Amino acid sequence: EADIYQTPRYLVIGTGKKITLECSQTMGHDKMYWYQQDPGMELHLIHYSYGVNSTEKGDLSSESTVSRIRTEHFPLTLESARPSHTSQYLCASSEPQPTNEKLFFGSGTQLSVL
Amino acid sequence: SQQGEEDPQALSIQEGENATMNCSYKTSINNLQWYRQNSGRGLVHLILIRSNEREKHSGRLRVTLDTSKKSSSLLITASRAADTASYFCATETDKLIFGTGTRLQVFP
Repeated sequence: EADIYQTPRYLVIGTGKKITLECSQTMGHDKMYWYQQDPGMELHLIHYSYGVNSTEKGDLSSESTVSRIRTEHFPLTLESARPSHTSQYLCASSEPQPTNEKLFFGSGTQLSVL
Repeated sequence: SQQGEEDPQALSIQEGENATMNCSYKTSINNLQWYRQNSGRGLVHLILIRSNEREKHSGRLRVTLDTSKKSSSLLITASRAADTASYFCATETDKLIFGTGTRLQVFP
């Protein structure tokens, strides 16, 4: 089992609410990622980080923001949730090597915006 | 455009049969990886094959890579009901890009 944790596991909220999805890893990995996945579909990279104070946008445009103040923590925030944000959000991390990196995933947060 | 595409999209087999999933991609890669995802959960890394390798084994898993055809296959031998999951290939260039996935169902 990978030591990467996501909370909450499920979240149902109303439109307009601000939410933060938590992701923590205890493996000391510098690289961390957020993916968005709709049911039965592929994963889309929305944010990544190569270390503390480093954040980059991924391939899929997202209204969410991320921060990386500590190595082990990579939270994702939506300032004003909308029904179009309903999806599964997966956090991952990888060991610090330039290539041949494998990702360790958390169990995901299933977000439903009503 | 999608880097990795898998076929079939879905596969149903009986326990004991072999399951083969294919992945095709478009650009040169550093490596190709296969991941498994149980319904509603995160992905678990299964196996990595480097661009200079042609075949790799791990338990009941066998992965092949043909860089000339830009394709890979994952074979699960003697399948079990517990193998029921979605399987994704992921290609690494400057980042890791996931394919569309194959949903495998193994009936007891």
